[in-house]
Amino acid sequence: GAGVSQSPSNKVTEKGKDVELRCDPISGHTALYWYRQSLGQGLEFLIYFQGNSAPDKSGLPSDRFSAERTGGSVSTLTIQRTQQEDSAVYLCASSSTSGGETQYFGPGTRLLVL
Amino acid sequence: QKEVEQDPGPLSVPEGAIVSLNCTYSNSAFQYFMWYRQYSRKGPELLMYTYSSGNKEDGRFTAQVDKSSKYISLFIRDSQPSDSATYLCAMSRVNDMRFGAGTRLTVKP
Repeated sequence: GAGVSQSPSNKVTEKGKDVELRCDPISGHTALYWYRQSLGQGLEFLIYFQGNSAPDKSGLPSDRFSAERTGGSVSTLTIQRTQQEDSAVYLCASSSTSGGETQYFGPGTRLLVL
Repeated sequence: QKEVEQDPGPLSVPEGAIVSLNCTYSNSAFQYFMWYRQYSRKGPELLMYTYSSGNKEDGRFTAQVDKSSKYISLFIRDSQPSDSATYLCAMSRVNDMRFGAGTRLTVKP
Protein backbone atom coordinates (compact mmCIF):
# COMPACT_ATOMS: atom_id res chain seq x y z
CA GLY A 1 0.00 0.00 0.00
CA ALA A 2 0.93 3.67 -0.03
CA GLY A 3 3.60 4.91 2.30
CA VAL A 4 3.62 7.98 4.49
CA SER A 5 2.96 11.12 2.49
CA GLN A 6 3.71 14.71 3.42
CA SER A 7 2.78 18.03 1.91
CA PRO A 8 4.01 20.41 0.80
CA SER A 9 7.37 18.96 -0.18
CA ASN A 10 8.93 22.41 0.02
CA LYS A 11 7.77 25.59 1.73
CA VAL A 12 9.37 29.02 1.64
CA THR A 13 7.89 31.60 3.96
CA GLU A 14 8.70 34.95 5.45
CA LYS A 15 9.69 35.41 9.06
CA GLY A 16 6.63 35.96 11.23
CA LYS A 17 4.19 34.05 9.02
CA ASP A 18 2.37 30.89 10.12
CA VAL A 19 2.84 27.59 8.28
CA GLU A 20 0.96 24.30 8.26
CA LEU A 21 2.59 21.01 7.37
CA ARG A 22 0.54 17.93 6.63
CA CYS A 23 1.21 14.23 7.20
CA ASP A 24 -0.87 11.33 5.93
CA PRO A 25 0.30 8.14 7.68
CA ILE A 26 0.13 4.58 6.46
CA SER A 27 -3.44 3.33 6.70
CA GLY A 28 -4.05 1.47 9.94
CA HIS A 29 -0.98 2.82 11.73
CA THR A 30 -2.02 4.04 15.15
CA ALA A 31 1.21 5.82 16.08
CA LEU A 32 2.36 9.03 14.37
CA TYR A 33 5.52 11.01 15.04
CA TRP A 34 6.88 14.38 13.97
CA TYR A 35 10.62 15.05 13.85
CA ARG A 36 12.77 17.96 12.79
CA GLN A 37 16.06 17.47 10.99
CA SER A 38 18.39 20.42 10.62
CA LEU A 39 21.30 20.42 8.18
CA GLY A 40 23.90 17.92 9.37
CA GLN A 41 21.94 17.12 12.50
CA GLY A 42 20.13 14.03 13.68
CA LEU A 43 16.42 13.67 14.11
CA GLU A 44 14.91 15.87 16.80
CA PHE A 45 11.71 14.43 18.23
CA LEU A 46 8.83 16.92 18.32
CA ILE A 47 5.53 15.20 19.11
CA TYR A 48 3.96 11.75 19.19
CA PHE A 49 0.35 10.61 18.78
CA GLN A 50 -0.88 7.16 19.77
CA GLY A 51 -4.47 6.34 18.95
CA ASN A 52 -6.89 8.51 20.88
CA SER A 53 -4.52 9.14 23.77
CA ALA A 54 -3.27 12.60 24.65
CA PRO A 55 -0.20 13.37 22.53
CA ASP A 56 3.33 13.43 23.92
CA LYS A 57 4.34 17.03 23.28
CA SER A 58 7.59 16.88 25.23
CA GLY A 59 9.74 17.59 22.19
CA LEU A 60 8.05 20.75 20.96
CA PRO A 61 10.70 23.52 21.14
CA SER A 62 8.33 26.39 21.93
CA ASP A 63 4.67 27.28 22.22
CA ARG A 64 4.78 28.47 18.60
CA PHE A 65 4.66 24.79 17.62
CA SER A 66 1.48 22.76 17.81
CA ALA A 67 0.07 19.67 16.15
CA GLU A 68 -3.25 17.98 15.68
CA ARG A 69 -4.29 14.56 14.54
CA THR A 70 -7.84 14.36 13.28
CA GLY A 71 -9.77 11.11 13.38
CA GLY A 72 -6.67 9.17 14.28
CA SER A 73 -5.26 9.60 10.79
CA VAL A 74 -4.02 12.80 9.13
CA SER A 75 -1.88 15.12 11.21
CA THR A 76 -1.06 18.81 10.84
CA LEU A 77 1.98 20.48 12.37
CA THR A 78 1.55 24.23 12.74
CA ILE A 79 4.34 26.70 13.34
CA GLN A 80 3.19 30.18 14.27
CA ARG A 81 5.23 33.36 13.80
CA THR A 82 8.01 31.46 12.06
CA GLN A 83 11.63 32.31 12.81
CA GLN A 84 14.70 31.71 10.67
CA GLU A 85 15.89 29.03 13.09
CA ASP A 86 12.74 27.05 12.24
CA SER A 87 14.25 26.33 8.81
CA ALA A 88 14.71 22.56 8.63
CA VAL A 89 13.26 19.39 7.18
CA TYR A 90 10.16 18.28 9.05
CA LEU A 91 9.68 14.53 8.91
CA CYS A 92 6.62 12.53 9.79
CA ALA A 93 6.67 8.82 10.61
CA SER A 94 4.07 6.25 11.50
CA SER A 95 4.14 2.80 13.03
CA SER A 96 1.61 0.07 13.63
CA THR A 97 1.96 0.29 17.43
CA SER A 98 4.07 2.14 19.91
CA GLY A 99 5.66 -1.00 21.27
CA GLY A 100 9.05 -0.37 19.72
CA GLU A 101 8.08 -1.43 16.22
CA THR A 102 9.83 0.32 13.42
CA GLN A 103 8.72 3.67 12.12
CA TYR A 104 8.13 4.39 8.46
CA PHE A 105 9.03 7.88 7.32
CA GLY A 106 7.57 10.24 4.80
CA PRO A 107 9.74 12.25 2.39
CA GLY A 108 9.66 15.33 4.59
CA THR A 109 8.75 18.97 4.13
CA ARG A 110 11.67 21.31 3.57
CA LEU A 111 10.88 24.59 5.29
CA LEU A 112 12.87 27.73 4.59
CA VAL A 113 12.11 30.84 6.59
CA LEU A 114 13.52 33.98 5.01
CA GLN B 1 26.29 12.49 27.37
CA LYS B 2 23.82 11.80 24.58
CA GLU B 3 21.78 8.63 24.84
CA VAL B 4 22.94 7.59 21.36
CA GLU B 5 26.36 8.47 19.98
CA GLN B 6 27.18 8.16 16.30
CA ASP B 7 30.19 9.54 14.48
CA PRO B 8 28.80 11.92 11.82
CA GLY B 9 31.75 11.34 9.48
CA PRO B 10 31.89 12.06 6.62
CA LEU B 11 33.22 8.68 5.59
CA SER B 12 34.60 8.17 2.09
CA VAL B 13 35.58 4.73 0.76
CA PRO B 14 36.43 3.27 -2.66
CA GLU B 15 33.94 1.03 -4.42
CA GLY B 16 34.19 -2.56 -3.21
CA ALA B 17 35.42 -1.66 0.28
CA ILE B 18 33.91 -3.02 3.47
CA VAL B 19 32.21 -0.26 5.43
CA SER B 20 31.76 -0.32 9.19
CA LEU B 21 29.30 2.07 10.84
CA ASN B 22 28.85 2.16 14.59
CA CYS B 23 26.76 3.57 17.41
CA THR B 24 27.00 3.40 21.15
CA TYR B 25 24.18 3.95 23.58
CA SER B 26 23.79 4.46 27.28
CA ASN B 27 20.32 3.18 28.15
CA SER B 28 20.27 -0.58 28.64
CA ALA B 29 16.45 -0.55 28.43
CA PHE B 30 16.53 -0.29 24.64
CA GLN B 31 15.23 -3.49 23.12
CA TYR B 32 14.97 -2.88 19.38
CA PHE B 33 17.79 -1.73 17.14
CA MET B 34 17.48 -0.36 13.66
CA TRP B 35 19.52 1.13 10.85
CA TYR B 36 17.98 3.62 8.48
CA ARG B 37 19.40 4.83 5.20
CA GLN B 38 18.64 8.36 4.07
CA TYR B 39 19.41 9.54 0.57
CA SER B 40 19.81 13.22 -0.08
CA ARG B 41 16.48 15.07 0.05
CA LYS B 42 14.57 11.93 1.02
CA GLY B 43 13.11 10.58 4.25
CA PRO B 44 14.92 7.81 6.15
CA GLU B 45 14.10 4.28 5.01
CA LEU B 46 14.43 1.19 7.16
CA LEU B 47 17.43 -0.92 6.25
CA MET B 48 17.85 -3.39 9.10
CA TYR B 49 15.87 -4.26 12.23
CA THR B 50 17.09 -6.47 15.06
CA TYR B 51 15.81 -7.37 18.47
CA SER B 52 18.48 -9.44 20.17
CA SER B 53 22.23 -9.45 20.50
CA GLY B 54 24.11 -11.09 17.66
CA ASN B 55 24.30 -10.71 13.92
CA LYS B 56 21.62 -10.34 11.29
CA GLU B 57 22.51 -10.55 7.63
CA ASP B 58 20.60 -9.26 4.61
CA GLY B 59 22.46 -9.42 1.34
CA ARG B 60 25.52 -7.19 1.55
CA PHE B 61 24.41 -5.76 4.89
CA THR B 62 25.08 -7.19 8.35
CA ALA B 63 23.76 -5.65 11.54
CA GLN B 64 25.48 -6.52 14.78
CA VAL B 65 24.21 -5.84 18.29
CA ASP B 66 26.25 -6.22 21.47
CA LYS B 67 23.95 -5.38 24.36
CA SER B 68 26.59 -6.06 26.98
CA SER B 69 28.78 -3.33 25.47
CA LYS B 70 25.84 -1.17 24.36
CA TYR B 71 27.31 -1.10 20.88
CA ILE B 72 25.71 -1.67 17.49
CA SER B 73 27.29 -1.88 14.07
CA LEU B 74 26.31 -2.01 10.43
CA PHE B 75 28.68 -3.62 7.95
CA ILE B 76 28.36 -3.13 4.21
CA ARG B 77 30.29 -5.58 2.03
CA ASP B 78 31.32 -4.84 -1.55
CA SER B 79 30.15 -1.25 -1.18
CA GLN B 80 28.64 0.40 -4.24
CA PRO B 81 28.29 4.05 -5.26
CA SER B 82 24.54 3.59 -4.76
CA ASP B 83 25.25 3.01 -1.06
CA SER B 84 26.27 6.67 -0.76
CA ALA B 85 23.84 8.07 1.78
CA THR B 86 23.51 9.01 5.42
CA TYR B 87 23.07 6.06 7.76
CA LEU B 88 21.21 6.59 11.02
CA CYS B 89 21.16 4.13 13.86
CA ALA B 90 18.04 3.98 16.00
CA MET B 91 17.00 2.14 19.10
CA SER B 92 13.73 1.88 20.91
CA ARG B 93 11.68 0.56 23.75
CA VAL B 94 7.98 1.03 24.38
CA ASN B 95 7.01 4.65 23.70
CA ASP B 96 10.60 5.77 23.32
CA MET B 97 12.74 5.84 20.19
CA ARG B 98 16.12 7.53 19.79
CA PHE B 99 18.19 8.23 16.73
CA GLY B 100 21.87 8.77 16.20
CA ALA B 101 23.00 11.88 14.34
CA GLY B 102 23.75 9.85 11.21
CA THR B 103 26.99 9.03 9.39
CA ARG B 104 27.39 10.41 5.90
CA LEU B 105 28.93 7.80 3.60
CA THR B 106 30.33 8.33 0.12
CA VAL B 107 31.40 5.37 -1.99
CA LYS B 108 33.64 6.49 -4.82
CA PRO B 109 33.65 4.59 -8.16
